[in-house]
Amino acid sequence: RKEVEQDPGPFNVPEGATVAFNCTYSNSASQSFFWYRQDCRKEPKLLMSVYSSGNEDGRFTAQLNRASQYISLLIRDSKLSDSATYLCVVSPGYSSASKIIFGSGTRLSIRP
Amino acid sequence: SQTIHQWPATLVQPVGSPLSLECTVEGTSNPNLYWYRQAAGRGLQLLFYSIGIDQISSEVPQNLSASRPQDRQFILSSKKLLLSDSGFYLCAATWGVDSYNSPLHFGNGTRLTVT
Repeated sequence: RKEVEQDPGPFNVPEGATVAFNCTYSNSASQSFFWYRQDCRKEPKLLMSVYSSGNEDGRFTAQLNRASQYISLLIRDSKLSDSATYLCVVSPGYSSASKIIFGSGTRLSIRP
Repeated sequence: SQTIHQWPATLVQPVGSPLSLECTVEGTSNPNLYWYRQAAGRGLQLLFYSIGIDQISSEVPQNLSASRPQDRQFILSSKKLLLSDSGFYLCAATWGVDSYNSPLHFGNGTRLTVT
Protein backbone atom coordinates (compact mmCIF):
# COMPACT_ATOMS: atom_id res chain seq x y z
CA ARG A 1 0.00 0.00 0.00
CA LYS A 2 1.30 3.44 -0.91
CA GLU A 3 1.97 5.80 1.98
CA VAL A 4 -0.31 8.42 0.46
CA GLU A 5 -2.84 7.62 -2.24
CA GLN A 6 -4.93 9.87 -4.37
CA ASP A 7 -7.28 9.19 -7.22
CA PRO A 8 -5.34 10.59 -10.20
CA GLY A 9 -8.49 11.60 -12.04
CA PRO A 10 -8.93 13.47 -14.23
CA PHE A 11 -12.13 14.87 -12.80
CA ASN A 12 -13.97 16.76 -15.49
CA VAL A 13 -16.88 18.75 -14.06
CA PRO A 14 -19.01 21.67 -15.25
CA GLU A 15 -18.54 25.14 -13.87
CA GLY A 16 -20.59 25.65 -10.73
CA ALA A 17 -20.45 22.00 -9.69
CA THR A 18 -19.27 20.70 -6.36
CA VAL A 19 -16.35 18.30 -6.46
CA ALA A 20 -14.61 16.35 -3.73
CA PHE A 21 -11.28 14.54 -3.54
CA ASN A 22 -10.05 12.09 -0.98
CA CYS A 23 -6.54 11.21 0.00
CA THR A 24 -5.70 8.20 2.16
CA TYR A 25 -2.55 7.79 4.21
CA SER A 26 -1.01 4.75 5.85
CA ASN A 27 0.99 6.20 8.77
CA SER A 28 -1.39 6.54 11.69
CA ALA A 29 1.18 8.71 13.51
CA SER A 30 0.94 11.46 10.89
CA GLN A 31 0.49 14.88 12.45
CA SER A 32 0.18 17.50 9.74
CA PHE A 33 -1.88 17.54 6.59
CA PHE A 34 -2.07 19.97 3.71
CA TRP A 35 -3.65 20.47 0.33
CA TYR A 36 -1.61 22.05 -2.46
CA ARG A 37 -2.59 23.22 -5.89
CA GLN A 38 -0.25 22.87 -8.83
CA ASP A 39 -0.88 24.52 -12.16
CA CYS A 40 0.71 23.14 -15.30
CA ARG A 41 4.47 23.72 -15.34
CA LYS A 42 4.35 25.69 -12.11
CA GLU A 43 5.40 25.08 -8.54
CA PRO A 44 2.92 23.66 -6.00
CA LYS A 45 1.24 26.31 -3.91
CA LEU A 46 -0.28 25.82 -0.51
CA LEU A 47 -4.06 25.81 -0.74
CA MET A 48 -4.87 25.08 2.87
CA SER A 49 -3.77 23.23 5.95
CA VAL A 50 -6.12 20.54 7.25
CA TYR A 51 -7.07 20.71 10.90
CA SER A 52 -8.60 18.01 13.03
CA SER A 53 -11.86 19.91 13.39
CA GLY A 54 -12.10 20.58 9.68
CA ASN A 55 -11.65 23.99 8.17
CA GLU A 56 -13.11 26.15 5.47
CA ASP A 57 -11.67 28.86 3.28
CA GLY A 58 -14.26 30.39 1.01
CA ARG A 59 -15.43 27.74 -1.43
CA PHE A 60 -12.90 25.20 -0.13
CA THR A 61 -13.48 22.85 2.79
CA ALA A 62 -10.90 20.43 4.15
CA GLN A 63 -11.65 17.54 6.46
CA LEU A 64 -9.51 15.06 8.37
CA ASN A 65 -10.72 11.63 9.41
CA ARG A 66 -8.08 10.09 11.65
CA ALA A 67 -10.03 6.91 12.30
CA SER A 68 -10.20 6.06 8.61
CA GLN A 69 -6.92 7.81 7.81
CA TYR A 70 -8.00 10.08 5.04
CA ILE A 71 -8.25 13.76 4.28
CA SER A 72 -10.69 15.34 1.89
CA LEU A 73 -11.04 18.52 -0.09
CA LEU A 74 -14.42 19.86 -1.18
CA ILE A 75 -14.72 22.61 -3.75
CA ARG A 76 -18.10 24.28 -4.06
CA ASP A 77 -19.33 26.40 -6.95
CA SER A 78 -16.28 25.46 -8.99
CA LYS A 79 -14.71 28.05 -11.28
CA LEU A 80 -12.78 27.63 -14.49
CA SER A 81 -9.74 28.88 -12.59
CA ASP A 82 -9.95 25.90 -10.23
CA SER A 83 -8.61 23.68 -13.01
CA ALA A 84 -5.32 22.34 -11.70
CA THR A 85 -3.74 19.33 -10.05
CA TYR A 86 -4.44 19.02 -6.33
CA LEU A 87 -1.81 17.39 -4.14
CA CYS A 88 -2.32 16.12 -0.65
CA VAL A 89 0.65 16.22 1.71
CA VAL A 90 1.09 14.23 4.89
CA SER A 91 3.81 14.91 7.45
CA PRO A 92 4.80 13.07 10.61
CA GLY A 93 5.47 16.45 12.24
CA TYR A 94 8.67 15.34 13.92
CA SER A 95 12.30 15.79 13.06
CA SER A 96 12.36 13.73 9.90
CA ALA A 97 11.91 15.86 6.84
CA SER A 98 12.19 12.87 4.57
CA LYS A 99 8.87 11.59 5.83
CA ILE A 100 6.87 14.43 4.31
CA ILE A 101 4.90 12.53 1.71
CA PHE A 102 3.24 14.00 -1.35
CA GLY A 103 0.37 12.31 -3.07
CA SER A 104 0.72 11.94 -6.81
CA GLY A 105 -2.06 14.46 -7.36
CA THR A 106 -5.62 14.59 -8.64
CA ARG A 107 -6.22 16.42 -11.88
CA LEU A 108 -9.29 18.61 -12.00
CA SER A 109 -10.65 20.16 -15.15
CA ILE A 110 -13.58 22.57 -14.99
CA ARG A 111 -15.51 22.97 -18.24
CA PRO A 112 -17.67 25.97 -19.15
CA SER B 1 7.35 38.20 4.43
CA GLN B 2 9.33 35.15 3.43
CA THR B 3 10.29 34.53 -0.16
CA ILE B 4 12.17 31.78 -1.92
CA HIS B 5 14.33 32.71 -4.88
CA GLN B 6 15.36 30.04 -7.30
CA TRP B 7 17.29 30.39 -10.53
CA PRO B 8 17.56 29.95 -13.39
CA ALA B 9 13.96 29.37 -14.44
CA THR B 10 14.90 27.20 -17.39
CA LEU B 11 18.11 25.50 -18.38
CA VAL B 12 19.20 23.35 -21.29
CA GLN B 13 22.42 21.47 -20.74
CA PRO B 14 24.25 18.77 -22.70
CA VAL B 15 24.88 15.34 -21.26
CA GLY B 16 28.08 15.29 -19.25
CA SER B 17 28.06 18.97 -18.41
CA PRO B 18 28.05 20.28 -14.82
CA LEU B 19 25.05 21.74 -13.06
CA SER B 20 24.56 24.33 -10.36
CA LEU B 21 21.14 25.47 -9.22
CA GLU B 22 20.84 28.01 -6.47
CA CYS B 23 18.09 28.72 -3.98
CA THR B 24 17.99 31.48 -1.41
CA VAL B 25 15.41 32.26 1.23
CA GLU B 26 14.61 35.73 2.50
CA GLY B 27 12.64 36.91 5.47
CA THR B 28 13.42 34.13 7.92
CA SER B 29 16.35 32.45 9.57
CA ASN B 30 17.28 28.82 10.14
CA PRO B 31 14.79 27.36 7.67
CA ASN B 32 14.60 23.69 6.79
CA LEU B 33 15.49 23.48 3.10
CA TYR B 34 14.60 20.89 0.50
CA TRP B 35 15.32 20.00 -3.10
CA TYR B 36 12.62 18.12 -4.98
CA ARG B 37 12.49 16.89 -8.54
CA GLN B 38 9.37 16.34 -10.58
CA ALA B 39 9.61 14.38 -13.79
CA ALA B 40 7.08 15.18 -16.51
CA GLY B 41 3.62 14.04 -15.44
CA ARG B 42 4.92 12.56 -12.21
CA GLY B 43 4.89 13.29 -8.49
CA LEU B 44 7.50 15.05 -6.41
CA GLN B 45 10.62 13.18 -5.44
CA LEU B 46 12.63 14.41 -2.46
CA LEU B 47 16.31 14.63 -3.34
CA PHE B 48 17.94 16.39 -0.40
CA TYR B 49 17.00 18.20 2.76
CA SER B 50 18.92 20.30 5.22
CA ILE B 51 18.17 21.38 8.77
CA GLY B 52 21.21 23.65 9.06
CA ILE B 53 24.45 24.88 7.55
CA ASP B 54 26.51 22.01 6.13
CA GLN B 55 23.88 19.51 7.33
CA ILE B 56 22.62 17.69 4.25
CA SER B 57 20.66 14.46 4.03
CA SER B 58 20.37 12.64 0.76
CA GLU B 59 17.28 10.65 -0.03
CA VAL B 60 18.06 9.11 -3.39
CA PRO B 61 21.45 7.82 -4.55
CA GLN B 62 22.33 9.60 -7.76
CA ASN B 63 24.89 11.81 -9.41
CA LEU B 64 23.54 14.95 -7.75
CA SER B 65 24.84 16.64 -4.62
CA ALA B 66 23.68 19.50 -2.44
CA SER B 67 25.41 22.04 -0.26
CA ARG B 68 24.32 24.65 2.23
CA PRO B 69 27.19 27.09 2.66
CA GLN B 70 25.02 29.70 4.35
CA ASP B 71 21.91 29.56 6.50
CA ARG B 72 19.56 30.64 3.72
CA GLN B 73 21.36 29.30 0.67
CA PHE B 74 20.89 25.84 -0.78
CA ILE B 75 22.73 24.67 -3.88
CA LEU B 76 22.08 21.63 -6.06
CA SER B 77 25.00 20.43 -8.16
CA SER B 78 26.15 17.76 -10.51
CA LYS B 79 29.56 17.14 -12.03
CA LYS B 80 28.19 15.31 -15.06
CA LEU B 81 24.54 15.44 -16.08
CA LEU B 82 22.66 12.41 -17.36
CA LEU B 83 19.64 12.42 -19.66
CA SER B 84 17.61 11.10 -16.73
CA ASP B 85 18.38 14.27 -14.76
CA SER B 86 15.89 16.20 -16.87
CA GLY B 87 12.96 17.46 -14.85
CA PHE B 88 11.46 20.26 -12.84
CA TYR B 89 13.63 21.07 -9.83
CA LEU B 90 11.98 22.73 -6.89
CA CYS B 91 13.53 24.29 -3.84
CA ALA B 92 11.29 24.37 -0.79
CA ALA B 93 11.49 25.59 2.77
CA THR B 94 9.74 25.43 6.09
CA TRP B 95 10.33 27.87 8.92
CA GLY B 96 9.12 28.96 12.27
CA VAL B 97 9.13 27.61 15.78
CA ASP B 98 7.27 24.48 14.72
CA SER B 99 8.92 24.05 11.34
CA TYR B 100 8.20 20.31 11.21
CA ASN B 101 4.47 20.96 11.37
CA SER B 102 4.62 23.88 8.99
CA PRO B 103 3.71 23.66 5.32
CA LEU B 104 6.36 23.61 2.64
CA HIS B 105 6.76 26.73 0.55
CA PHE B 106 8.25 26.38 -2.91
CA GLY B 107 10.39 28.49 -5.17
CA ASN B 108 9.33 28.99 -8.77
CA GLY B 109 11.35 26.00 -9.91
CA THR B 110 13.96 25.34 -12.57
CA ARG B 111 13.01 23.36 -15.64
CA LEU B 112 16.10 21.43 -16.69
CA THR B 113 16.41 19.70 -20.04
CA VAL B 114 19.46 17.54 -20.59
CA THR B 115 20.13 16.96 -24.28
